[in-house]
Amino acid sequence: TQLLEQSPQFLSIQEGENLTVYCNSSSVFSSLQWYRQEPGEGPVLLVTVVTGGEVKKLKRLTFQFGDARKDSSLHITAAQPGDTGLYLCAGANTGNQFYFGTGTSLTVIP
Amino acid sequence: NAGVTQTPKFQVLKTGQSMTLQCAQDMNHEYMSWYRQDPGMGLRLIHYSVGAGITDQGEVPNGYNVSRSTTEDFPLRLLSAAPSQTSVYFCASSRANSPLHFGNGTRLTVT
Repeated sequence: TQLLEQSPQFLSIQEGENLTVYCNSSSVFSSLQWYRQEPGEGPVLLVTVVTGGEVKKLKRLTFQFGDARKDSSLHITAAQPGDTGLYLCAGANTGNQFYFGTGTSLTVIP
Repeated sequence: NAGVTQTPKFQVLKTGQSMTLQCAQDMNHEYMSWYRQDPGMGLRLIHYSVGAGITDQGEVPNGYNVSRSTTEDFPLRLLSAAPSQTSVYFCASSRANSPLHFGNGTRLTVT
């Protein structure tokens, strides 16, 4: 059972463009995390959001947690080739179990 | 600063063979887990442990065994490999209510 759906699954954009990745679920999570994964490596944490409605910024990346703590979005402003990678959202329950989304593969073309 | 170390990095098995994927962490994390990653499926939880001597099943446990005799080590055993177990396997560790730290994965092919 896939609890978290990400969209789009693939995204190819030109350098300098903006983009948004969505992570949706029918389940409520105690926290939600975004990871980025590069080929041949494990996922690396970008951010954790905990409070419904919370917005966090990490340089050109903006993360938002939905008011009901069921969904999240990642917005990248002025994408750069270094942003290329697989973006994964993960919802955590109170038992410290993590449920991962299907992933969004982003390619930024110079 | 090693973090989470997985070995081997690559492995090819024939159907029916057994093997153990190793995972070790040096951060004194109580939680450890194994995931498999398949195209379009994200990461799916196989087994997890909340401390030494305690393990439990995740979403896709069939065909895999685990044990946790020490805080540092959490090996994953494939008892009789099947082609459906061809995947990339990731081990992760964390403290309670904290993000996951991942190893760099083991790419397994079963022929």
